[in-house]
Amino acid sequence: DTGVSQNPRHKITKRGQNVTFRCDPISEHNRLYWYRQTLGQGPEFLTYFQNEAQLEKSRLLSDRFSAERPKGSFSTLEIQRTEQGDSAMYLCASSGGGHSNQPQHFGDGTRLSIL
Amino acid sequence: GDSVTQMEGPVTLSEEAFLTINCTYTATGYPSLFWYVQYPGEGLQLLLKATKADDKGSNKGFEATYRKETTSFHLEKGSVQVSDSAVYFCALTKAAGNKLTFGGGTRVLVKP
Repeated sequence: DTGVSQNPRHKITKRGQNVTFRCDPISEHNRLYWYRQTLGQGPEFLTYFQNEAQLEKSRLLSDRFSAERPKGSFSTLEIQRTEQGDSAMYLCASSGGGHSNQPQHFGDGTRLSIL
Repeated sequence: GDSVTQMEGPVTLSEEAFLTINCTYTATGYPSLFWYVQYPGEGLQLLLKATKADDKGSNKGFEATYRKETTSFHLEKGSVQVSDSAVYFCALTKAAGNKLTFGGGTRVLVKP
């Protein structure tokens, strides 16, 4: 079990640029989640995949945000035309199928800073 | 919508003191409840969970009981150590494989 891996760990970019983050879930997990965490707050749900299907998106996920999981394995989260308010920690989590309450395992996150 | 409310921190304790972190929730139906912990410089880790009323989750000396009548899931530990210094998050899910709704987190600092 290598855990959930996120890359990069840190991303600094200028306002208006596009950024892409990658998440590699635990290999046998078919569910993958993206959350955003701002300083001093709890994580907020962004979107969720079961295999390659994106099943739910939060209203927080504006049209500048897009997430994919093309082969049901790794996932990418892209933010276009970044804004100051996008500065946050972006967390990925995965969980197994089967029983409804399999816990979610989190990666260490990608910290995004917008200059 | 669903929500989770935690007591605000920071909570500062001496080693071997008793720790309680209050958590209450608002949700329809029968959510599953979780406590996650975030140690300095590390990612979120599941600490314990409870999936139905009156269940008690426990791990590493921490306990929490799912109280449906008071919609609460308070976290307790009888004797804290310096290594318990972390941010603790209460969370719930409503359905199979569904999103977690988190509270705002409570920072705990244990002094030797």
